[in-house]
Amino acid sequence: SQELEQSPQSLIVQEGKNLTINCTSSKTLYGLYWYKQKYGEGLIFLMMLQKGGEEKSHEKITAKLDEKKQQSSLHITASQPSHAGIYLCGARIRGSTLGRLYFGRGTQLTVWP
Amino acid sequence: NAGVTQTPKFRILKIGQSMTLQCAQDMNHNYMYWYRQDPGMGLKLIYYSVGAGITDKGEVPNGYNVSRSTTEDFPLRLELAAPSQTSVYFCASSELAGGETQYFGPGTRLLVL
Repeated sequence: SQELEQSPQSLIVQEGKNLTINCTSSKTLYGLYWYKQKYGEGLIFLMMLQKGGEEKSHEKITAKLDEKKQQSSLHITASQPSHAGIYLCGARIRGSTLGRLYFGRGTQLTVWP
Repeated sequence: NAGVTQTPKFRILKIGQSMTLQCAQDMNHNYMYWYRQDPGMGLKLIYYSVGAGITDKGEVPNGYNVSRSTTEDFPLRLELAAPSQTSVYFCASSELAGGETQYFGPGTRLLVL
């Protein structure tokens, strides 16, 4: 079973458009992490959310945590080609191995000019 | 700081061959992890370590072994390579287990033929 479900699986947007990626957990969340991955590279840490209602922003990327829904969203405003890549959500959930993160399957983002 | 480094970047193995994937971190982190990432899937935990001399199995440990003789190094050993082990392998580290960001290496792409 997949503990974390990400949607959509892929997104193709025109440069300048806004977009949202969702990550939903089937179990209680103790921490939610967003990473970005480019082909052939490792995971680049974007943001960590720990408290319900928490919202963090970095440049044009905003992440929110809805603890009641066990869900997080990643929103990109005015997308640019540099935002292209695979976005992965990772989470510490109830019952998980010490420190272990569970990951969603990722969202492939393409931004065309 | 180099962060988390992994070698090699890419390797082709024949069925039945053995190899060791190297991982090192220079952040003095106690916790280290090995994940594998298959196409279209999230990362699955293979093994983890909470400190030098202490390792434990993750979700998919079969066919792998690890050791942790120093804080810095956490090599992953494949004894008898099988096609099912074709994947991208990521090493990660964190200072503590809870609430701490995991930092990832660039990955090792392994192809078993």
